Amino acid sequence: DTAVSQTPKYLVTQMGNDKSIKCEQNLGHDTMYWYKQDSKKFLKIMFSYNNKELIINETVPNRFSPKSPDKAHLNLHINSLELGDSAVYFCASSHDWTGSSYEQYFGPGTRLTVT
Amino acid sequence: GENVEQHPSTLSVQEGDSAVIKCTYSDSASNYFPWYKQELGKRPQLIIDIRSNVGEKKDQRIAVTLNKTAKHFSLHITETQPEDSAVYFCAALQTSGTYKYIFGTGTRLKVLA
Repeated sequence: DTAVSQTPKYLVTQMGNDKSIKCEQNLGHDTMYWYKQDSKKFLKIMFSYNNKELIINETVPNRFSPKSPDKAHLNLHINSLELGDSAVYFCASSHDWTGSSYEQYFGPGTRLTVT
Repeated sequence: GENVEQHPSTLSVQEGDSAVIKCTYSDSASNYFPWYKQELGKRPQLIIDIRSNVGEKKDQRIAVTLNKTAKHFSLHITETQPEDSAVYFCAALQTSGTYKYIFGTGTRLKVLA
């Protein structure tokens, strides 16, 4: 019954490795997001997809590559992990803004630790 | 683009007192303002929101007010309880250019028993 789910919940890996985080939503939303929350708790948008199309790509290193195979899924692949990538990554979803519903819902987060 | 400022960064109140968190936004075209509560180790949870055509909205002990002229919106929690302790985020939906949610920097609320 989970609305927005992410896997894995925890990810511990070494510098230089490549890793992926997966996200799925069953809310019927059109738009999905990736946010990064650093140690100071700032929530920063990284990417946004609307109907599988990339619409927001903030200033994020190109080691980060999102992929949306369909409206319900948004994955994040990170190449050549660096210490500074350690953070909590949240997936979120919402309807697009053509309708009347603007609520955005977050997944449980993936705590990435790079050693 | 939109910028959202949030104050204070930390707030301690005695149980039963009220707490107020304030945000200002820069983009006058923003039209939706949600508030999120994030408990330690958990996801941000939407607790209340307000549209730009409404000045105030209330849900039990929580209320949000919006002053469009001044570009201010505030979260009010009355009769605070220890379980209200969390980090609270305001956000504004930027509608100029690409639609996106811009978050404030968060307020850590501690309710002292």
